[in-house]
Amino acid sequence: GEDVEQSLFLSVREGDSSVINCTYTDSSSTYLYWYKQEPGAGLQLLTYIFSNMDMKQDQRLTVLLNKKDKHLSLRIADTQTGDSAIYFCAESHDRGSTLGRLYFGRGTQLTVWP
Amino acid sequence: NAGVTQTPKFRILKIGQSMTLQCTQDMNHNYMYWYRQDPGMGLKLIYYSVGAGITDKGEVPNGYNVSRSTTEDFPLRLELAAPSQTSVYFCASSHRDSTYEQYFGPGTRLTVT
Repeated sequence: GEDVEQSLFLSVREGDSSVINCTYTDSSSTYLYWYKQEPGAGLQLLTYIFSNMDMKQDQRLTVLLNKKDKHLSLRIADTQTGDSAIYFCAESHDRGSTLGRLYFGRGTQLTVWP
Repeated sequence: NAGVTQTPKFRILKIGQSMTLQCTQDMNHNYMYWYRQDPGMGLKLIYYSVGAGITDKGEVPNGYNVSRSTTEDFPLRLELAAPSQTSVYFCASSHRDSTYEQYFGPGTRLTVT
């Protein structure tokens, strides 16, 4: 099956870096994603990485993928109070009937203290 | 573009009642999805559709029905509401050539008492 695991909580001080970790079990994962959910809102796609990459950088966000260990991380540099939200790790694979289906972790609640 | 819109935002149902959650997208996306999010959990796929007239079950389809008569609309029907269906429901869509980019609506918070 498809299992995606994340730690549930992370607290950091404003200006520090945040690192949110995720592990997954399906070795046929094609894409891995990070979504952000602010209170009372829907999910917003932050970034994604193809499984043949090991790093992707997008402004303050750095995604690292260790395919051997099935480990994905999201680093947020210079974390701001506006980054406080729930961050979901998700994966999908392009095979047959599961095309486009996302499998989500439970989410990591990031709290940023001023 | 409005993106993905959902109505209503909130709803309280009594056990056994029925309702339809509406979802519309204006991005001409082929793929549409319904997820539910239970408290403290990730999203679970209920149903999805790869185009008008085509729907398929996801991980948790029991107690729900869908239809896709147009590209834009993908309503989710609850026939006999049960307390276990208390959840937040999200609709999403993606283009056939980039299914990895799913766009989510703001959600419908449903309580069944």
